[in-house]
Amino acid sequence: DAKTTQPPSMDCAEGRAANLPCNHSTISGNEYVYWYRQIHSQGPQYIIHGLKNNETNEMASLIITEDRKSSTLILPHATLRDTAVYYCIVRPAAGGTSYGKLTFGQGTILTVHP
Amino acid sequence: NAGVMQNPRHLVRRRGQEARLRCSPVKGHSHVYWYRQLPEEGLKFMVYLQKENIIDESGMPKERFSAEFPKEGPSILRIQQVVRGDSAAYFCASSREIYGYTFGSGTRLTVV
Repeated sequence: DAKTTQPPSMDCAEGRAANLPCNHSTISGNEYVYWYRQIHSQGPQYIIHGLKNNETNEMASLIITEDRKSSTLILPHATLRDTAVYYCIVRPAAGGTSYGKLTFGQGTILTVHP
Repeated sequence: NAGVMQNPRHLVRRRGQEARLRCSPVKGHSHVYWYRQLPEEGLKFMVYLQKENIIDESGMPKERFSAEFPKEGPSILRIQQVVRGDSAAYFCASSREIYGYTFGSGTRLTVV
């Protein structure tokens, strides 16, 4: 079962920042937060991941609260092509056989409007 | 999704036939994962394989489904005696180590 909670849908105006929240209140100390997106039934696309520090790459920023119970994915300047389902995933701790498994929830459907 | 090649992209099978889905991982990746996405549902993990070994098959149905990742060649997901409920998109992903997945574009299986 997914260990994350996300709003089912969000809207954003083109050019604005899209802030997608995720709750993961039961996260363990050595579990990472991963974000993926799926555009129109294509294969999921990796966006970013983090452990406790904020992270930024060319696609997005990830802000993780100090208690690690929630995080926010930020797309700084959303475009129409960012319309997708965004998945927040808690990655099992390394070492167990389930480490390779990603548990996808329902995600957030982000719609970017012109 | 560059790098992970899945074929065929679309597969149509009649009930009772066998379906074979192939996945060629990114060059140098030795970990392969299969996921299934039923219509209007999220992705569900099926199986995790390393070369010649099944590491985690906790998401595989107990009957009719099998997966392999031989020493040479692509990973194969095999569904015997397909039923209409097997119609779904099947995605393969690969990684070099445990970190970081790259997903393929999927195979859409339709059972008629």
